[in-house]
Amino acid sequence: KAGVTQTPRYLIKTRGQQVTLSCSPISGHRSVSWYQQTPGQGLQFLFEYFSETQRNKGNFPGRFSGRQFSNSRSEMNVSTLELGDSALYLCASSWEGTYNEQFFGPGTRLTVL
Amino acid sequence: QKEVEQNSGPLSVPEGAIASLNCTYSDRGSQSFFWYRQYSGKSPELIMSIYSNGDKEDGRFTAQLNKASQYVSLLIRDSQPSDSATYLCAVKKDSTLTFGKGTMLLVSP
Repeated sequence: KAGVTQTPRYLIKTRGQQVTLSCSPISGHRSVSWYQQTPGQGLQFLFEYFSETQRNKGNFPGRFSGRQFSNSRSEMNVSTLELGDSALYLCASSWEGTYNEQFFGPGTRLTVL
Repeated sequence: QKEVEQNSGPLSVPEGAIASLNCTYSDRGSQSFFWYRQYSGKSPELIMSIYSNGDKEDGRFTAQLNKASQYVSLLIRDSQPSDSATYLCAVKKDSTLTFGKGTMLLVSP
């Protein structure tokens, strides 16, 4: 069974630009969560989508947004990039439910210059 | 405020020893608990999940949960140099997973 895939794996952008990251969950998984990981803050929850609806949202500014498609694939967008947005962006998928385990993709390394 | 606390380490153990990693959490409504391993430059890999009080064993790994004390631990028996990584404790409530900042484990040959 294929794992979670994320594209692109690496991105370099400049301040003020916007970026879109893509995530394809494990087949059959309907929940997709996004996280930002930085050395200082660790793994921080951005948002979670289930059945094309945002179900939970972390404490990030409105420049961070996402969506989920009918095939459960998800995208996240960051507008007006800032230097502090440089991070590893991770997507994780799971079955529905509180107890279900989340499996991570390889991540997208975003560098903002 | 949901919080998950871990000692940042590094925790250094010799090869063959038992490594003990600890985690405390603040939200008593937390429902499920996970340990992830993350190698440098890689994404987190799930190694254990535990949902009820007590111990759960899987190979060299044992997870322990004490909900009354709001405490989760991971024991790694017969530690190997390949176990050297950062171990992340994660706590789930509803569909949101909250991570600790991780404990770095170094296993010396």
